[in-house]
Formats: sequence, structure tokens, C-alpha cells
Amino acid sequence: SQKIEQNSEALNIQEGKTATLTCNYTNYSPAYLQWYRQDPGRGPVFLLLIRENEKEKRKERLKVTFDTTLKQSLFHITASQPADSATYLCARNTGFQKLVFGTGTRLLVSP
Amino acid sequence: EAGVTQFPSHSVIEKGQTVTLRCDPISGHDNLYWYRRVMGKEIKFLLHFVKESKQDESGMPNNRFLAERTGGTYSTLKVQPAELEDSGVYFCASSQVSGFTQETQYFGPGTRLLVL
Repeated sequence: SQKIEQNSEALNIQEGKTATLTCNYTNYSPAYLQWYRQDPGRGPVFLLLIRENEKEKRKERLKVTFDTTLKQSLFHITASQPADSATYLCARNTGFQKLVFGTGTRLLVSP
Repeated sequence: EAGVTQFPSHSVIEKGQTVTLRCDPISGHDNLYWYRRVMGKEIKFLLHFVKESKQDESGMPNNRFLAERTGGTYSTLKVQPAELEDSGVYFCASSQVSGFTQETQYFGPGTRLLVL
């Protein structure tokens, strides 16, 4: 099946460090990958989209990479802050606009 | 500008009862989506409206689920009769322009449904 896989274990890092989250996909080549942030009790919030012909995309302290050879996207938060603590979701578009999500990785940034 | 709103925020019902969830998309958004997250699993697509028409309902679990979007504005998702496995968080999302797979989807806060 065409799945999105994210590390289900929580990632704990110290404030100021760079957080790196991984999204792997199998059995297909998505045209786009998207990253969302989800806080408890809230819906996902769109952060970044990266196309298959883009190696890297940046937005403020966020950076996303897309490696079609490794079938992997990496999501980086530099100079992390406690306010960055949340669950981060990777998702791919399908040809019919619906999103297919990974299970998400919980990030905890300690002061 | 108001975001996507959902009502109720929480619902606790007994097996066999009926529940209706409502979603108000961002004004002017033609696309409306329903998703669901059951405990421990990923968020999964249920269906997609373009205005009042069902574009894709491939994710609807079974015929106990009925979604409507009369007039192309708000949408309702009815579960009748509810079963235990229907428990989860139901998210609604909307996006602006049809035909672009990379259009950003804006999510509501979700309705937490618990079937006892």
C-alpha cells in the first residue's frame, strides 16, 4: 500500500537545538509532501509544502527537504523553543486532493 | 476572518444512537473535506465536497455515515446508528480553489465523539 511513515516515538530535545523529524514513503512517488503542526485539542495547521522537484524549502526557522532517491522528507526546526512542542504530521496529496497523513511525531522541547 | 468551525466540540452518545456533526468552512471556500482520527491511528480521509456535490466519498466507512452540504455552505455528517468503533475525532477542512492538488487545506478544531 502507499503509506506515509513517521517515527511514532516522541522526540525530546533541549531548547536551542535543531529538531529533525523524518517522513518516509513507500510504493509510490508523491508529487508533493506537506507538513502540518497539531496541538492538543486542535486541528492540523499547515506549515510547508515541498514539491518533488524541490530539494529544499525554508520558512523562518523551518526547513523541509525532499529526497526522492531515499523516498524521504526531513523536517527541521532550528533554534527550537518550548513553544515548538507539538505533534508534527507529514501528508501527501493524492490526485484527487484528499490528504493521506502519517501518524505524526510528537516533539517536546525542554527549557 | 473566521476559520473553519465545528460543532459540537465533544459528543458522548450510546451505541445505537444518532449523532450529527456540523462544519462551517471558511467563507468562499468551495472545497470541504471530512477526516477522522481514531485512537492510535493516523488521520484518515472520509469525503470531499466541491460546493454541494460529493467529489470523492471513497473514505466513508459504511452506509451508517451520511454527509450533506446543502447549498454549498455548511456541511453535516450524520452517524446513524453509532457503533463503538465510530469513536474518534472528526475533522473538517476547507480549501479555496478546485482543481489544484496543492491547495492548502484549513482544518477545524475537530469534534470528539465517544460512543459508549
